Amino acid sequence: AQKVTQAQTETSVVEKEDVTLDCVYETRDTTYYLFWYKQPPSGELVFLIRRNSFDEQNEISGRYSWNFQKSTSSFNFTITASQVVDSAVYFCALSLNYGGSQGNLIFGKGTKLSVKP
Amino acid sequence: DTGVSQDPRHKITKRGQNVTFRCDPISEHNRLYWYRQTLGQGPEFLTYFQNEAQLEKSRLLSDRFSAERPKGSFSTLEIQRTEQGDSAMYLCASSAFRTGEVKNIQYFGAGTRLSVL
Repeated sequence: AQKVTQAQTETSVVEKEDVTLDCVYETRDTTYYLFWYKQPPSGELVFLIRRNSFDEQNEISGRYSWNFQKSTSSFNFTITASQVVDSAVYFCALSLNYGGSQGNLIFGKGTKLSVKP
Repeated sequence: DTGVSQDPRHKITKRGQNVTFRCDPISEHNRLYWYRQTLGQGPEFLTYFQNEAQLEKSRLLSDRFSAERPKGSFSTLEIQRTEQGDSAMYLCASSAFRTGEVKNIQYFGAGTRLSVL
């Protein structure tokens, strides 16, 4: 069975601090895709990043960076120099490959990040 | 491009009533997904369409739930004889799927929040 675990239910930092959100996934498939989405209070899930299982290179986008490690089945997300606007619920998700087509998303329970001024 | 649009944003109904939600995907997106999100949980997959064909349904989608996408554009999700356990946020997402291409990133709407009294 496929599963995504985000062990941190909530976390809080002071503005300008760095914060890492953990994500551990389970799947027996060799081809899969990992995602991070942000859900601000307005409710709309905002796509942040997609990674496929064959690409273990870490990625940096501005203040955001992602660390993908197949050996530990983890796909962690770090925000550097956090800002109040980063306050949101962050979801990690897994999608499998169905005959060359990406399937539905399997989400973790999310981590609520509060950034205090 | 305008984003995924969902209507209504909020719906309050009495137990036993029928409700219908609408989702308008991003223009030219051929795949459309429905998810359900309860408080403190990640979204859970319900069903998805490619054009007008409903290709997959989750076990979560009981007989009281039906979804349609008659012309391959907007979709409706109907819940008959609502129960208190149906109270949740119903999220719609769309993606542009091309054969042989697995990019297929799902973009979400802001959701319809259903409260069953």
